[in-house]
Amino acid sequence: ILNVEQSPQSLHVQEGDSTNFTCSFPSSNFYALHWYRWETAKSPEALFVMTLNGDEKKKGRISATLNTKEGYSYLYIKGSQPEDSATYLCAFMNTGFQKLVFGTGTRLLVSP
Amino acid sequence: DAGVIQSPRHEVTEMGQEVTLRCKPISGHDYLFWYRQTMMRGLELLIYFNNNVPIDDSGMPEDRFSAKMPNASFSTLKIQPSEPRDSAVYFCASSLGVVTEAFFGQGTRLTVV
Repeated sequence: ILNVEQSPQSLHVQEGDSTNFTCSFPSSNFYALHWYRWETAKSPEALFVMTLNGDEKKKGRISATLNTKEGYSYLYIKGSQPEDSATYLCAFMNTGFQKLVFGTGTRLLVSP
Repeated sequence: DAGVIQSPRHEVTEMGQEVTLRCKPISGHDYLFWYRQTMMRGLELLIYFNNNVPIDDSGMPEDRFSAKMPNASFSTLKIQPSEPRDSAVYFCASSLGVVTEAFFGQGTRLTVV
């Protein structure tokens, strides 16, 4: 059974704060790592797909890094805004399973 | 494209009844996934199709669950008979490839009473 862990489980920050969360996954047989943003009452939306060790992706104020050798990825949000409030999911795929296994997410709340 | 379309959005049914959830993937996407979201287990993959062929159904909880994809633009997830513990939000997603980003539908909230 593949174990994908995310921390923290939840986070409450003030508008303007920068924040980051962690996704940990098995380091062997890595294939891909996805990050999704999931707003309440909506469906998950893809942020990044990362496949190479050392990958860094950026979309506006959100960026992500990937370390496949040690089995972790960080998601950073610079200058958080209330509209960033959502659950951020990571999902891991290895070469054996070839299907995404989701973590339980980090729930972010940004207060004005 | 309108995105992945699921129907119904909400379904309330009595225990023992048959439930059919429907999904229309994004045109041109070769992969279709059925997920279930619960408080206890988060988002878990039930089954996925490649070019209408079921590839991995190891996540389907029991024989009561079945899924079909008769053509590239339509898939169903059926539960027969339904039980209260099947209550969850069921998502359908599609993607161009197995490793590329998945596009999710709005989900079907199923309540079995």
